[in-house]
Amino acid sequence: DTGVSQNPRHKITKRGQNVTFRCDPISEHNRLYWYRQTLGQGPEFLTYFQNEAQLEKSRLLSDRFSAERPKGSFSTLEIQRTEQGDSAMYLCASSQTGGNYGYTFGSGTRLTVV
Amino acid sequence: SQELEQSPQSLIVQEGKNLTINCTSSKTLYGLYWYKQKYGEGLIFLMMLQKGGEEKSHEKITAKLDEKKQQSSLHITASQPSHAGIYLCGAAPNSGYSTLTFGKGTMLLVSP
Repeated sequence: DTGVSQNPRHKITKRGQNVTFRCDPISEHNRLYWYRQTLGQGPEFLTYFQNEAQLEKSRLLSDRFSAERPKGSFSTLEIQRTEQGDSAMYLCASSQTGGNYGYTFGSGTRLTVV
Repeated sequence: SQELEQSPQSLIVQEGKNLTINCTSSKTLYGLYWYKQKYGEGLIFLMMLQKGGEEKSHEKITAKLDEKKQQSSLHITASQPSHAGIYLCGAAPNSGYSTLTFGKGTMLLVSP
């Protein structure tokens, strides 16, 4: 197992465009999390899935953001009508149920909106 | 909501010196995680501490959890350039260990 994989690593987009990021978790992990991190800050929780069910969404997740995890495997995070304030590192993590086994993070996707 | 305050915000130490980073929670700590992050990269898991006043060590890094103070500390002995990076503490808001709240991080530089 190669850990949590995120694609792309970097994305530059023009304001108003839609972008989609993908996360492939560790295969035996049933929980998948999305976080957003801006410069000088810690990661902020966006949403998480247990299998294919989206169990929690942060108030940070505006209606321009949508996440899916079809079949409980990989997940996608889509941002519609991007704004400059969306520029950040988007981190994906996975864990087994309970989380006390540890959360494994991917390398992140850095989004720059110009 | 739970807030985590890390101190110091940044730290420069000479190679070979010891250092301590603190993480204080505004609420009860159920699980406390320490991660290391290189600039522009993902988080690398270091240790997890659970309720019960745990202490764990890995190589030259030791982490402790003080439940009464709602605080955790990360201690590095005989620092090396490879220890440089951003250290983040993350806490589970409840015993269900669902999402994590993170502190803002402590940036560590190790000078030769």
